[in-house]
Amino acid sequence: EVQLLESGGGLVQPGGSLRLSCAASGFTFSSYAMSWVRQAPGKGLEWVSAISGSGGSTYYADSVKGRFTISRDNSKNTLYLQMNSLRAEDTAVYYCAKTATTVTTLDAFDIWGQGTMVTVSS
Amino acid sequence: DIQMTQSPSSLSASVGDRVTITCRASQGISNYLAWFQQKPGKAPKSLIYAASSLQSGVPSKFSGSGSGTDFTLTISSLQPEDFATYYCQQYNSYPPSFGQGTKLEIK
Repeated sequence: EVQLLESGGGLVQPGGSLRLSCAASGFTFSSYAMSWVRQAPGKGLEWVSAISGSGGSTYYADSVKGRFTISRDNSKNTLYLQMNSLRAEDTAVYYCAKTATTVTTLDAFDIWGQGTMVTVSS
Repeated sequence: DIQMTQSPSSLSASVGDRVTITCRASQGISNYLAWFQQKPGKAPKSLIYAASSLQSGVPSKFSGSGSGTDFTLTISSLQPEDFATYYCQQYNSYPPSFGQGTKLEIK
């Protein structure tokens, strides 16, 4: 069974840092691009960042560029999101999502993790 | 950036009804359009990709259509488990973007 399991969320002060992880299982992790998508409380979905299967290409939303870094360890089947200089507006549930095919980095998502909550507050 | 606009923002319907949700892109996106269902406190679930193709395991009561800038999601014979929020998303170009969501409620 294909599964994604996020961890690492929590309460952090403004200006602080946090690293999220997404453990993947049930598929050939290195063959698929992965993304992070977030959802602020009571709001809609916002794409945050994506990374190619090899890790050689990365993409970011303007709202997080320069503060967040996406990476992956294909030997551990794990996706990461390093979040620095956190702001109150980064408060959200963060989901990792798998692309449906191995053809391209920008593709439909087929599998989502259960999400991990990040709260930025003093 | 491409803006995605869904209508309506909310919709009331009864069990057994058929409903249609519309999604419009601010520029042409060919058929690079997906639909998701989200229930309160849960992760989104992928329903449709390439505007009209069902994800594995999704019942045929869900159908999608459209190309270019205008798309629709139709749900037939509504059941209690179908009442949720639905999102469209374009993946034609970075940054991928979502519609604001359509909340489907029981009448």
